[in-house]
Amino acid sequence: DSGVTQTPKHLITATGQRVTLRCSPRSGDLSVYWYQQSLDQGLQFLIQYYNGEERAKGNILERFSAQQFPDLHSELNLSSLELGDSALYFCASGGLPNTGELFFGEGSRLTVL
Amino acid sequence: TQLLEQSPQFLSIQEGENLTVYCNSSSVFSSLQWYRQEPGEGPVLLVTVVTGGEVKKLKRLTFQFGDARKDSSLHITAAQPGDTGLYLCAGAGAAGNKLTFGGGTRVLVKP
Repeated sequence: DSGVTQTPKHLITATGQRVTLRCSPRSGDLSVYWYQQSLDQGLQFLIQYYNGEERAKGNILERFSAQQFPDLHSELNLSSLELGDSALYFCASGGLPNTGELFFGEGSRLTVL
Repeated sequence: TQLLEQSPQFLSIQEGENLTVYCNSSSVFSSLQWYRQEPGEGPVLLVTVVTGGEVKKLKRLTFQFGDARKDSSLHITAAQPGDTGLYLCAGAGAAGNKLTFGGGTRVLVKP
């Protein structure tokens, strides 16, 4: 158990819809990272938040947005969904300035039909 | 953009054989991490290497960071079925606040 909690574990929706993925970081971690993993692929960095503020941005589509709340949980919002958005979405916490290690949740598997 | 390329993409071997996975980049990284991911789970950190030329051993796994800190390798001796999984390397840039992941190497160790 990494200590990072993600919900929901599975989500099936239709094209054009909007979904929200939720992440609770490990106790004490201020950073939250979001990654996208397509079938049998590596991890694509989407965005990082640190203590409520956006810290780094990767290849995140304009249709996607995220935020981190005062209690440090984070939400990733995906809108106008397309078939190609089907993927595993991972949240992680940790990183620097701690040890640099990322602790990953179990992921949310999104299927867009 | 810093890119990490892993090779091979897929490796299938028999139990007891050795294997090596490579992670290469044209960029310099301040540190490099190796993760293993099993089906239905998130990646789990195996090791972090920081110094150019560094070699770290974790039981049957040997990790090496290139002298120029642009590449790394993971060598598994006498592979076991439990070593099956997706191996991911990840490099941290100078700022250290973002990890760039390689495409992964899927390893299958058959009994």
